[in-house]
Amino acid sequence: EAGVTQSPTHLIKTRGQQATLRCSPISGHTSVYWYQQALGLGLQFLLWYDEGEERNRGNFPPRFSGRQFPNYSSELNVNALELEDSALYLCASSLRGSLNQPQHFGDGTRLSIL
Amino acid sequence: AQSVAQPEDQVNVAEGNPLTVKCTYSVSGNPYLFWYVQYPNRGLQFLLKYITGDNLVKGSYGFEAEFNKSQTSFHLKKPSALVSDSALYFCAVRALYNNNDMRFGAGTRLTVKP
Repeated sequence: EAGVTQSPTHLIKTRGQQATLRCSPISGHTSVYWYQQALGLGLQFLLWYDEGEERNRGNFPPRFSGRQFPNYSSELNVNALELEDSALYLCASSLRGSLNQPQHFGDGTRLSIL
Repeated sequence: AQSVAQPEDQVNVAEGNPLTVKCTYSVSGNPYLFWYVQYPNRGLQFLLKYITGDNLVKGSYGFEAEFNKSQTSFHLKKPSALVSDSALYFCAVRALYNNNDMRFGAGTRLTVKP
């Protein structure tokens, strides 16, 4: 079974640009979660998508947005990039409504803002 | 809202010695508890979970965790540490009542020295 895949592995941008990160969940998983892991910090919850809709959102500004496609893959878009957006962005997937099941993580996209 | 605390940023143990990584939680109602491990430049890997039943949960790579309801703790343990266990460990909690929200601790860096 293929795991969660994220692309690109690394992304370098400059301040003010826009970044798009992609995630493909495990086959059969309908929920996709996005997290930000800044250097030296823990995971900060960004967004949760399920069945194509945004279900929950963390404490991040509106320039962080995303969507989920009919095949359950997802994109995270970050507009007007700022230096502090430099971080590892992790995507996770799980079965919908499965509170007792773990989230399965991809290896992340490392976003560097110059 | 639920929360998780990992009181130690860093744990150092000698190879062959037992290890404990601490986690305490706060949640209304029954918790679902998880441990994950993160190796450098990788995503989080699921180790084990507590949902209900036996308070001692066994997981991957010889790890186990003990759920203690009275102390609201879920400490990760291993009888004999390996150098390859050196990594960042995260505790996470979910509660039945909320919107599929999983909260992660800040992480504990485990270093096992030969």
